Amino acid sequence: QLQLQESGSGLVKPSETLSLTCAISGGSISSGGDSWSWIRQPPGKGLEWIGHFHHSGNTYSNPSLDSRVTISVDRSKNQFSLKLSSVTAADTAVYYCATRAGSSFRYGMDVWGPGTTVTVS
Amino acid sequence: DIQMTQSPSSLSASIGDRVTLTCRASQSITSYLNWYQQKPGKAPKLLIYAASSLQSGVPSRFSGSGSGTDFTLTISSLQPEDFATYYCQQSYSTPLTFGGGTKVDI
Repeated sequence: QLQLQESGSGLVKPSETLSLTCAISGGSISSGGDSWSWIRQPPGKGLEWIGHFHHSGNTYSNPSLDSRVTISVDRSKNQFSLKLSSVTAADTAVYYCATRAGSSFRYGMDVWGPGTTVTVS
Repeated sequence: DIQMTQSPSSLSASIGDRVTLTCRASQSITSYLNWYQQKPGKAPKLLIYAASSLQSGVPSRFSGSGSGTDFTLTISSLQPEDFATYYCQQSYSTPLTFGGGTKVDI
């Protein structure tokens, strides 16, 4: 059964770069769903899609985050990563990685990590 | 970007009630609409995909309908474990966007 687990810096200083990794178990990033996403949720607020790596090799990110987002894949480690540069307090949130197991992102995301809290301060 | 608007933002209901949540897209998204349930401190859980397809393992009291711009999620008989926040999400085009959520409580 496919499982995801986020890890990374829980406390980041303003203007620095947030770095998170999503480890994949029970499946392969090369043979799983067609995309691997990052989503975040500020305290007490709704969900915001940050971006995803698509199996076509392309990465798509939310224009609201400008060019601060970098999503990369490490197939040898079976994981994918998020870097968000020039962070501010507005980037404080729970960050989730997610995917649609064995299918397209168009059919929703059915596998989520438990989430990791990142505080910018 | 496609804007997703959910209504109501919150509602109070009782066990056994039939509950209907609404989601509207700012432009046609055909049937690329997904519904999630989220409980406090937990990751969202996929309930419905492609507007009306029930995700494996989800109770049949949940159902979805709609196409184009207007969608609904119905819980036929509310159970204690259904008290949560529900989000719709369009997967028609990037950036993928979520509605603001509907909180269902007692």
